[in-house]
Amino acid sequence: EVQLVESGGGLVQPGGSLRLSCTVSGLTFSHTWMTWVRQAPGKGLEWVAIIDPSGSAIEYGGSVEGRFTISRDNVKNSLSLHMNSLEVEDTAVYFCTRDRGFSSFDYWGQGALVTVSS
Amino acid sequence: QSALTQPPSASGSPGQSVTISCTGTTRDIGAHNYVSWYQQRPGKAPKLIIYEVYKRPSGVPDRFSGSKSGNTASLTVSGLQAEDEADYYCGSFVGLFGGGTRVTVL
Repeated sequence: EVQLVESGGGLVQPGGSLRLSCTVSGLTFSHTWMTWVRQAPGKGLEWVAIIDPSGSAIEYGGSVEGRFTISRDNVKNSLSLHMNSLEVEDTAVYFCTRDRGFSSFDYWGQGALVTVSS
Repeated sequence: QSALTQPPSASGSPGQSVTISCTGTTRDIGAHNYVSWYQQRPGKAPKLIIYEVYKRPSGVPDRFSGSKSGNTASLTVSGLQAEDEADYYCGSFVGLFGGGTRVTVL
């Protein structure tokens, strides 16, 4: 059974930092493109970042570029999202997902809630 | 404002069909066949139900079907069931999403 489990969400003040993690099992993680997708409360989905299996090819959505960093550890089967200079608008549930190819996301974690508020 | 345009709501009675549109541009939906659809029930993660315009992942009922014409993709849910009541999102390469359509089963 494929499982993606996020952790690290919580409450942070504007301008602060937070690190999300996603542990993956049931997949050959080192062969898998991974992404983060977020959903603000009551809103739609927004693609955040993608990383290739080796960790060498990375892209970010325009609203987070320069502030967020995606990374992976293929030994620990783990995906991370380091979020800096957080803004109120970054408040969302962050989902770890597997990209099966060309932006079709077939496995999702349960989501981690990040709340940016003073 | 989302990159892809969906109607905010759609509805149908049990057994009927409902079709949801997803409009993009010649740079995204019109440029390739990488359109996906997701079903999201309240409090749950989205679930992939269609990829590459019309393909269904294993386990997705054939009541769900996808198509595309020009810059617009469509999802049709045939034989509506109460469990189909959910939000539906379209997606396109690279990392674009529609704003979502809430489907209500009357």
